Amino acid sequence: QSALTQPASVSGSPGQSITISCTGTSSDVGGYNYVSWYQQHPGKAPKLMIYDVSNRPSGVSNRFSGSKSGNTASLTISGLQAEDEADYYCSSYTSSSPHVVFGGGTKLTVL
Amino acid sequence: EVQLVESGGGLVQPGGSLRLSCAASGFTFSSYWMHWVRQAPGKGLVWVSRINSDGSSTSYADSVKGRFTISRDNAKNTLYLQMNSLRAEDTAVYYCARDRGSYAEVFDPWGQGTLVTVSS
Repeated sequence: QSALTQPASVSGSPGQSITISCTGTSSDVGGYNYVSWYQQHPGKAPKLMIYDVSNRPSGVSNRFSGSKSGNTASLTISGLQAEDEADYYCSSYTSSSPHVVFGGGTKLTVL
Repeated sequence: EVQLVESGGGLVQPGGSLRLSCAASGFTFSSYWMHWVRQAPGKGLVWVSRINSDGSSTSYADSVKGRFTISRDNAKNTLYLQMNSLRAEDTAVYYCARDRGSYAEVFDPWGQGTLVTVSS
């Protein structure tokens, strides 16, 4: 199946808010409330930031929030900090095997 | 502390084989589904394979089906990925990840990854 569509890059200044989009279809993002977001710093392993569209795992800052409208999910980071600079990936359950698909990733630059 | 540590990566010639291991600690390994996810250099994340908690059910991405085999040894708290007939396009960092246990695949946490390079 095709990867979910994310912008290649977004940027923001410290203290600002940014939103990263993740667009799929009614067979994945739009059809289920099973979207996750992962943060990956260079040379490091991905880290779960949001699951089931808007749930934050224990230990993840409440500056990170998730939402969904139609076939597009979004990750919002408020009060941007230098340490937020990283790559962000979305993933979703999909009706077709193997039932999981990732987005292409978005590079967040903190100006 | 929940920890996943991969090993077994390295340089292998096209057509060769490699077995990756993922040692788990800090949680009841036998209770969780596990996954392998890979990332080619400079590219995004791609799901590779999953195995259920007792090892009786497995799934694979089409790109590796018939060449890769996922398995686990719950007595040793270890996940494996046997990779045969390796191709240049299999070059990637391979991560093992625990399934969070919700309805859909949620990967948490991830290991640090092990690099597999397929080249002559």
